[in-house]
Amino acid sequence: GESVGLHLPTLSVQEGDNSIINCAYSNSASDYFIWYKQESGKGPQFIIDIRSNMDKRQGQRVTVLLNKTVKHLSLQIAATQPGDSAVYFCAEKRAAGNKLTFGGGTRVLVKP
Amino acid sequence: GAVVSQHPSRVICKSGTSVKIECRSLDFQATTMFWYRQFPKQSLMLMATSNEGSKATYEQGVEKDKFLINHASLTLSTLTVTSAHPEDSSFYICSARTGNNYGYTFGSGTRLTVV
Repeated sequence: GESVGLHLPTLSVQEGDNSIINCAYSNSASDYFIWYKQESGKGPQFIIDIRSNMDKRQGQRVTVLLNKTVKHLSLQIAATQPGDSAVYFCAEKRAAGNKLTFGGGTRVLVKP
Repeated sequence: GAVVSQHPSRVICKSGTSVKIECRSLDFQATTMFWYRQFPKQSLMLMATSNEGSKATYEQGVEKDKFLINHASLTLSTLTVTSAHPEDSSFYICSARTGNNYGYTFGSGTRLTVV
């Protein structure tokens, strides 16, 4: 079935470097995308979102890029810090309905 | 900001018993809440959509008689795992829509262990 997927299960990054997490989605009818951060034993925490009528959105140290042509979503974290170590999920919402579909997740490990 | 409170955070129960998990929206009204299950090192899988005042909508493969959902008010949805078995051990997470701006807020999750 259609899904949102990630291809890099673990990303190791040096503290201070930039991190890029990628996500491929297959449903062209999706109109809203969200990146979440999940720490061990906790619920997902909102990082940043983007609607399908945009291709880039920036937050504090984070940028989300959306390429609808190839159905690709990425999260860039600038100057990665130890506190950024977590699992990151992308999620999509279809234009019709309220449900979110989550990708497989990427674990980010920040090395001191 | 919008806060979703989930309780309990951890619960251990014996096989065959039932467990109720509560999800409350603290500072907003949630007409729609969602229940997810997450196994270790896996993603969140939507179990059902909880609609205030009406029956929940379950995802394919989720047993509605085993996972009872009640959304009796605009601030509370409950998930009851009935006749729990060890394979039901998982991390259960709820979320709620926070209005018309597509916002979703998640609870802190409930770690269920069935022994």
